Amino acid sequence: RKEVEQDPGPFNVPEGATVAFNCTYSNSASQSFFWYRQDCRKEPKLLMSVYSSGNEDGRFTAQLNRASQYISLLIRDSKLSDSATYLCVVIMNRDDKIIFGKGTRLHILP
Amino acid sequence: DTAVSQTPKYLVTQMGNDKSIKCEQNLGHDTMYWYKQDSKKFLKIMFSYNNKELIINETVPNRFSPKSPDKAHLNLHINSLELGDSAVYFCASSQEGSLAGTQYFGPGTRLLVL
Repeated sequence: RKEVEQDPGPFNVPEGATVAFNCTYSNSASQSFFWYRQDCRKEPKLLMSVYSSGNEDGRFTAQLNRASQYISLLIRDSKLSDSATYLCVVIMNRDDKIIFGKGTRLHILP
Repeated sequence: DTAVSQTPKYLVTQMGNDKSIKCEQNLGHDTMYWYKQDSKKFLKIMFSYNNKELIINETVPNRFSPKSPDKAHLNLHINSLELGDSAVYFCASSQEGSLAGTQYFGPGTRLLVL
């Protein structure tokens, strides 16, 4: 099993809809989790951290499920500008590892 | 004001050449990183430096040598370039310790080895 896995998509979603995708991780020693977004031919940018208690920032909600070893990202009322690739990041401090998922491509359709 | 900058933005070179990519951050961060993003968009960490000291050194060929003259700069030198080195190389920095999730990325250097 890969250390961090994401559905590559693409997810084609109409504007205004709600979309959610997950990221699974294999190592239970994983300690910190983040979502980044990367636009085409651009650098990754931090979207939000993922806390054990969940984290909400406007239309975006991130959650962590340690028992099932996955994190999720929910986008409500999607906008055209949400079209991007969403990368999950898992950090294992004990093993000095930072692992990026391969990303999920999201296309918001007008 | 550019927070993390990289030069050059594009680099086209022949196999066997030696090249360097420079990275500078003006955020006052202690930790800097180099990542490689291949044609399949897989972003993989190569090195991490904390206050000029090497912290993470993933399994990369020793043709790749990072150099940190001061904590605001982390350059990447690549010897004897190979076709498989073609990728986008991102520099990043973070304020927290050696392993931080809140990272600021540079715009990337697109390297093409012919």
